[in-house]
Amino acid sequence: DVKVTQSSRYLVKRTGEKVFLECVQDMDHENMFWYRQDPGLGLRLIYFSYDVKMKEKGDIPEGYSVSREKKERFSLILESASTNQTSMYLCASSPIRNTGELFFGEGSRLTVL
Amino acid sequence: GIQVEQSPPDLILQEGANSTLRCNFSDSVNNLQWFHQNPWGQLINLFYIPSGTKQNGRLSATTVATERYSLLYISSSQTTDSGVYFCAVDVYNQGGKLIFGQGTELSVKP
Repeated sequence: DVKVTQSSRYLVKRTGEKVFLECVQDMDHENMFWYRQDPGLGLRLIYFSYDVKMKEKGDIPEGYSVSREKKERFSLILESASTNQTSMYLCASSPIRNTGELFFGEGSRLTVL
Repeated sequence: GIQVEQSPPDLILQEGANSTLRCNFSDSVNNLQWFHQNPWGQLINLFYIPSGTKQNGRLSATTVATERYSLLYISSSQTTDSGVYFCAVDVYNQGGKLIFGQGTELSVKP
């Protein structure tokens, strides 16, 4: 079975802190994605990556950056957390660029105080 | 951009009832997936179904790509079926990014 693992299920951070959300997949997938989910707004794509050291902006990249140094790992970074970044963050991976089935991790619920 | 609309937005069922959830999309798509989001927030894959019909136990799905809709059938519903059901589409030449519908929130009462 495909497994996508997110490092933390629940985090509480303070405004201005740097936050790292880690995601690891064990199926050698090329593609990895970060979404955030908010009530009434659904799932929105933050960043994605089709290969190591490659990244592309999604629909809401402002305030975020990403890192993909290894194929299996895709990190989401909040350089200076703000309260409007309180959300559920979902990492996903897929094997093929244009037709791949997407698999999600368990999610990381971040609260910024 | 493509619009993905799910209906109904909310659904309450008695345990044992059947239901049909619908997903309409406004443009041609590469693929379509159905997910179930459990109470803990994880999105669980139900079907990868760009066209045709698939069945998995009490659940089945049908996508009619030419008419731009997909249906998810839940038969003999159980309380564990509660949660939010999302459809998501991958649009041609959009690099494999999925566009999600707003979801159908299902509550199955014992």
